[in-house]
Amino acid sequence: TQLLEQSPQFLSIQEGENLTVYCNSSSVFSSLQWYRQEPGEGPVLLVTVVTGGEVKKLKRLTFQFGDARKDSSLHITAAQPGDTGLYLCAGGHDAGNMLTFGGGTRLMVKP
Amino acid sequence: NAGVMQNPRHLVRRRGQEARLRCSPVKGHSHVYWYRQLPEEGLKFMVYLQKENIIDESGMPKERFSAEFPKEGPSILRIQQVVRGDSAAYFCASSRAPGFPYNEQFFGPGTRLTVL
Repeated sequence: TQLLEQSPQFLSIQEGENLTVYCNSSSVFSSLQWYRQEPGEGPVLLVTVVTGGEVKKLKRLTFQFGDARKDSSLHITAAQPGDTGLYLCAGGHDAGNMLTFGGGTRLMVKP
Repeated sequence: NAGVMQNPRHLVRRRGQEARLRCSPVKGHSHVYWYRQLPEEGLKFMVYLQKENIIDESGMPKERFSAEFPKEGPSILRIQQVVRGDSAAYFCASSRAPGFPYNEQFFGPGTRLTVL
């Protein structure tokens, strides 16, 4: 069974602080996706990374895929209360196959 | 949520009843996936379907659960004789036709099943 471990599980910070969420596995994935989920809603796709070492930026969010395509990180700069939510990483295998999800990082940003 | 529709959003059933969850994928998407999310946990894969075919059901419990994606109409996840442990949020996702290089899946809002 391929597993993805996310850390930390919970994170509570003040507005304006920076943070990094990690997603690690012993398995290689063909792609890595990050989602954000709010209470009562489905996960919303933030980004997909597919190349080892790839870095993608989405405003204050920076996503990186590890060189060996086994791990990924999400860095948020100057967090805002609107960033509060559950962040999920998911590893993709071949196109058309299931995603393997991490357990999630629950982020709370206090004003 | 990129156009994936699920209904109902909330479903309450008593033990022993049947639950039917529906999913309409994004227009043009021919791959449908069902995932289950237990409280305070990540999503767990259940089944992957294409039109009229089950491709991978390795995450589906062997008994009481079934899924279909007919030629016409939505995908259906069916749970017979529900038990309290079936209470969870069930999410449907869809992705594009074969050949699309990345397995990007777009999720619906989910159906929250409560078994009394």
